[in-house]
Amino acid sequence: AQTVTQSQPEMSVQEAETVTLSCTYDTSESDYYLFWYKQPPSRQMILVIRQEAYKQQNATENRFSVNFQKAAKSFSLKISDSQLGDAAMYFCAYRMYSSASKIIFGSGTRLSIRP
Amino acid sequence: DTAVSQTPKYLVTQMGNDKSIKCEQNLGHDTMYWYKQDSKKFLKIMFSYNNKELIINETVPNRFSPKSPDKAHLNLHINSLELGDSAVYFCASTGGGRGVSYEQYFGPGTRLTVT
Repeated sequence: AQTVTQSQPEMSVQEAETVTLSCTYDTSESDYYLFWYKQPPSRQMILVIRQEAYKQQNATENRFSVNFQKAAKSFSLKISDSQLGDAAMYFCAYRMYSSASKIIFGSGTRLSIRP
Repeated sequence: DTAVSQTPKYLVTQMGNDKSIKCEQNLGHDTMYWYKQDSKKFLKIMFSYNNKELIINETVPNRFSPKSPDKAHLNLHINSLELGDSAVYFCASTGGGRGVSYEQYFGPGTRLTVT
């Protein structure tokens, strides 16, 4: 069975600095998708970034980028130039390529930004 | 335009009551989900529907009964509410199988409080 592990329950970073959130997963599939979602205090779940496992190039969205290591089954999120609005829960998620029936979420990392 | 909407956003009720939460998506997606997020922010999948058919039922008590009248709607009815049902319930949708709109779009969540 697939699992997603976020080993950092809480992280803190100084405004304008860079922070990396960790995520590891376990699967026997070769094709799949990985996501990072953000949940601010408003509780809305917002997609931050996505990665297709068949792509070797790491995804990037403005200040957000990932380090996707397929062999190590690692999918970390780097936030550059941290802003106060980045404070939120961040969830890593996994989805099989061939089926949308189940998407597995990690337990989340609460990120706080120090002004 | 709201992609995934849920009503109500807040629900306060007493133990033993029956309540429903409604969800609608206007994205043309095939697959819809219900998630429960507990006080520790852990997201647990409850149900998954594909084209009105139940695909996943994750050991949820049978007091919870989802209903999908069409593929744009997935409602959740809860009988005999218990204190432990207090949580935020999220509806989500995704495009379905291989490679089509593969991320999940979430509704705003319904905060259910059982007293």
